[in-house]
Amino acid sequence: NAGVMQNPRHLVRRRGQEARLRCSPMKGHSHVYWYRQLPEEGLKFMVYLQKENIIDESGMPKERFSAEFPKEGPSILRIQQVVRGDSAAYFCASSPNTGGWYPEAFFGQGTRLTVV
Amino acid sequence: AQTVTQSQPEMSVQEAETVTLSCTYDTSESNYYLFWYKQPPSRQMILVIRQEAYKQQNATENRFSVNFQKAAKSFSLKISDSQLGDTAMYFCAFMKLGWGTASKLTFGTGTRLQVTL
Repeated sequence: NAGVMQNPRHLVRRRGQEARLRCSPMKGHSHVYWYRQLPEEGLKFMVYLQKENIIDESGMPKERFSAEFPKEGPSILRIQQVVRGDSAAYFCASSPNTGGWYPEAFFGQGTRLTVV
Repeated sequence: AQTVTQSQPEMSVQEAETVTLSCTYDTSESNYYLFWYKQPPSRQMILVIRQEAYKQQNATENRFSVNFQKAAKSFSLKISDSQLGDTAMYFCAFMKLGWGTASKLTFGTGTRLQVTL
């Protein structure tokens, strides 16, 4: 059973370009979470999605950031018109649907985005 | 909202010695989990240990154990017989429990642990 797969591992974008980060959850997992880790900081929650639904986006910046988890395919975190401050490691985690009582979250290895 | 505080940015311990990492948290919730995650240079987030708030007994996993003081909202991690492979960033994290709340985690800022010869 493969773990949470994120790609690419490293992504370099020029200011103003778009960044697309992909996350394939573990098999059987229907919940996906995105976190951002700025340099020398802890992970900060961005968004929680289930298939075709955004459940909690309280940590998402209001502009330029969006996320989706379609019925088929990976979850995508999209950052439009990137700026240097978007440079960070972006982590995806997934969990099964167990009704909410401690569904353990499994993390991918992250995508390091560098904006030049 | 929950907050998690790790007041030790860096710590160092000699191989085979014991080290304790501190964590405090603030919440008004009564049902929650607490976690310690390890992040080595590979960047992979590895779950080290978890503690259910409703359990009085402190969790242990081999060389790792916690001291959970619910009233004081304190959750420290003790690493015994430290090994070079324990060198990593360690993050304390909080998760609220309840139907439909899923696995949203609140992390502290981390403690960088260096194990030396």
